[in-house]
Order: sequence, then structure tokens, then C-alpha cells
Amino acid sequence: AQKITQTQPGMFVQEKEAVTLDCTYDTSDPSYGLFWYKQPSSGEMIFLIYQGSYDQQNATEGRYSLNFQKARKSANLVISASQLGDSAMYFCAMREHSYNTDKLIFGTGTRLQVFP
Amino acid sequence: GAVVSQHPSWVICKSGTSVKIECRSLDFQATTMFWYRQFPKQSLMLMATSNEGSKATYEQGVEKDKFLINHASLTLSTLTVTSAHPEDSSFYICSARGENYEQYFGPGTRLTVT
Repeated sequence: AQKITQTQPGMFVQEKEAVTLDCTYDTSDPSYGLFWYKQPSSGEMIFLIYQGSYDQQNATEGRYSLNFQKARKSANLVISASQLGDSAMYFCAMREHSYNTDKLIFGTGTRLQVFP
Repeated sequence: GAVVSQHPSWVICKSGTSVKIECRSLDFQATTMFWYRQFPKQSLMLMATSNEGSKATYEQGVEKDKFLINHASLTLSTLTVTSAHPEDSSFYICSARGENYEQYFGPGTRLTVT
């Protein structure tokens, strides 16, 4: 079975600094996809970034980048130049698919708080 | 692009009544939508996968007769909580699947059953 692990329940970072949110995964599939989502206090899940297992380069989207280390099975999210609006829950997710299922499985999340 | 709406955003109902939640993909067609439930300070729990024109696939432990899902068109899926009870109070979130299997989420519906 596939599994996503986020070991940091909470993180603090000062505004304008960079922060790394950890995510490790476990899968036996050679092809898989990894995702990061942001959930502010309003509740909406916001898609941030995607990394495919065969992608040669680490994914980047603006201030978000994904530090993908395949051998270590880690897909850490790096947020550069943190802003107060980055304070939220962050979930790492992996696509799980088989002959009869195709869905995302989520980690337990990390609460990020950005302080001035 | 990739906007998903959900209605209502919050609802309060009495125990024993039914509540319908709508999930719409506004600017793209979604053959597959998902329904999640989230308890406070917890991660999302997938309830069911909704495929347009066919029956939904429910996760283990989710009651099919209690949580009715209908995906009648490529832009609309509905979740009906039948005979709601206080333990059904939760945050319900839908999503629609994109081209890379990413999911675009609606803003969620907070259900309170009194």
C-alpha cells in the first residue's frame, strides 16, 4: 500500500525567509505523481505544485519548488521569501492508482506559521 | 482556470433531514470528481469517487445509502446526506480531476446537524 508521511505537525518561519516542509512517501509503483496543497483557515484546498516520478527536473511554481529526491523517496516543499499569507496547513499527496482505483492519498499535514 | 464551486458553503439542519451539496467545475469538464470529509485539525478522508454517467465508487466504511452521490453531467456532482445526524457534522469538500491527475478543490461545505 502507498503511504505519505509528514513528520512536522507545525513549523514557524520569519517573513522573507525560506522554509522547507518535509514529505516522504512509500510506493512500489514505478510511475507516480506527487502533489502539494495549501489549506488556509477558510478551508479551501489550493493546488500548489506537481512532480511526476519521471520528471528530470524538480518542479517549480513561482515561490514554490519541490525538492524531489527519488532515491530517498522524499518530496519536500520549499517556499522561498515567505509571506504572512503563507500561513496555512500544507498537505503532501500522492496519486494511488490500480486497475480499479485512481485517487490521491494525503499526509497528515504541516501547519506553517509565518511571523513578521 | 480550473475553478470548482461548491454550494452551499455552510448549512445547518435538524437531525433526520437530508441535505444536498452541489459541486460544479466552472471552466472545464470533469469526468471524475471526488468527495472528501475533513474533521477539525485532521487530513482529508476520501469518501467516494464520482464518475460521470456511472455509479460512484465508495471507500471502505462509507455508507452508500447514507451518502448518495450523483454525477449527472460533466460539470456537476451532488452529495446528499440522508437522514443526517449530529455525527455527520463535518467539513465536506469536493474536487474535480485535471489532466495530470491533480485535483482542483471546491471551497468546502460546513455541515452542522442539530
